[in-house]
Parts: sequence; structure tokens; C-alpha cells
Amino acid sequence: DTTVKQNPRYKLARVGKPVNLICSQTMNHDTMYWYQKKPNQAPKLLLFYYDKILNREADTFEKFQSSRPNNSFCSLYIGSAGLEYSAMYLCASSRTGGARGTQYFGPGTRLLVL
Amino acid sequence: QQKVQQSPESLIVPEGAMTSLNCTFSDSASQYFAWYRQHSGKAPKALMSIFSNGEKEEGRFTIHLNKASLHFSLHIRDSQPSDSALYLCAGGRGSALGRLHFGAGTQLIVIP
Repeated sequence: DTTVKQNPRYKLARVGKPVNLICSQTMNHDTMYWYQKKPNQAPKLLLFYYDKILNREADTFEKFQSSRPNNSFCSLYIGSAGLEYSAMYLCASSRTGGARGTQYFGPGTRLLVL
Repeated sequence: QQKVQQSPESLIVPEGAMTSLNCTFSDSASQYFAWYRQHSGKAPKALMSIFSNGEKEEGRFTIHLNKASLHFSLHIRDSQPSDSALYLCAGGRGSALGRLHFGAGTQLIVIP
């Protein structure tokens, strides 16, 4: 099973409120990623976990938090949502050394901030 | 930061046509190149990948990599309506941390 699951599929949030998105995979992949995708733009890598080590991209360092309580689950947390956070959030996972980088994506969570 | 440019942004072709999608990279240290396909409402899914210069063919799909010109392409022979999707190219240095840089995609529509 190469399924990556994301919950919820749709999320409506108010400006200034927190948002928590969930991702899970059962492939025992050691790396899990979070991307933000806006219409007509490339998926933008926000952060990724390699095992228990969190790597956050420099330009989104302060905007997003994440946790990985076990190998299968990974969350993306926005402490105070702004209008600019409205986007599709894609979770992906990969196995180091396997297929040299192939990432398996979930269907995404569409976040709308009002 | 790696920059990935895809062209065209969108493409409409008749069923049975040959389709060519293009991608250029800015990072000459990139070693891993891949095409992902995303059908509407579905998760992006890896289509094909390549590490060395040259061509790779799988069924109706052929990818071509020219590292010297940082150009990467996908060719679809006998395009089918089921090929209609967003095609994303991606590249990375192939390191253990597997950071990939994506293009904005080409939206392909194949008309029956």
C-alpha cells in the first residue's frame, strides 16, 4: 500500500486562529514532507522530517511548526492563520535510498482562511 | 535556490497526438530528475525519473535529459484523454535528504 492520507481534506479557518493538519503513511518511510501549493505556482517545500529531525526552510521558518510523534504521523501547525495561508497543503513521504528520491503524495488539504 | 521553469503552462492536443512538455533547471548540481502527474482532485504521483543524460522510455512515455543545457522533457506518444492532468517536473541533488524542487506545472488536456 503506497497510500499517504491527509486530514481533513478541506479546512475553513478564521484569520488569527490556529490550524492543525494531519498526515499519515504506513510505508515505514523515514522522511515526511509538507508542501504549500497555490494556483499556478510550484509546490513550495515548507519543512520535512528525516526520522525525528525537523528541517524547516529558511523563508518559512517562523510561519509553520510540525511534529512527528511516530514514524507514521506528521502534523503541520499554523499558530495564527493569515489570508496568505489559503492554499493546498500537500504531504509526501519517501524512503531514503529507495527509488532515489521518489516521493509519495497525499491528496492534499485545501485550506481557506477568511 | 533551485529555479525550475516549465513550458508551456497549458496545452490542448487531440487524441492520438504526440505531446511534448519541457522543463529547465538552474542548479547544475542537480542529479535526480522526475516527472509527476496529478489528475484533478488526486494526489501527485511519480511518473518517471532519470539520473543520467539520455532517454528513458516506458510505454507511451519517454523522458529526455540533457544536463549540459539543464533541459528535461517528457514526450507522450498517442496521447489519450486519460493523460489529461497537471504535469510537474522536479529535480534535486539526489542526497539522502531528498529535497526536490518543483516547477509550476503544465496543464495538459487531451480532446477525444
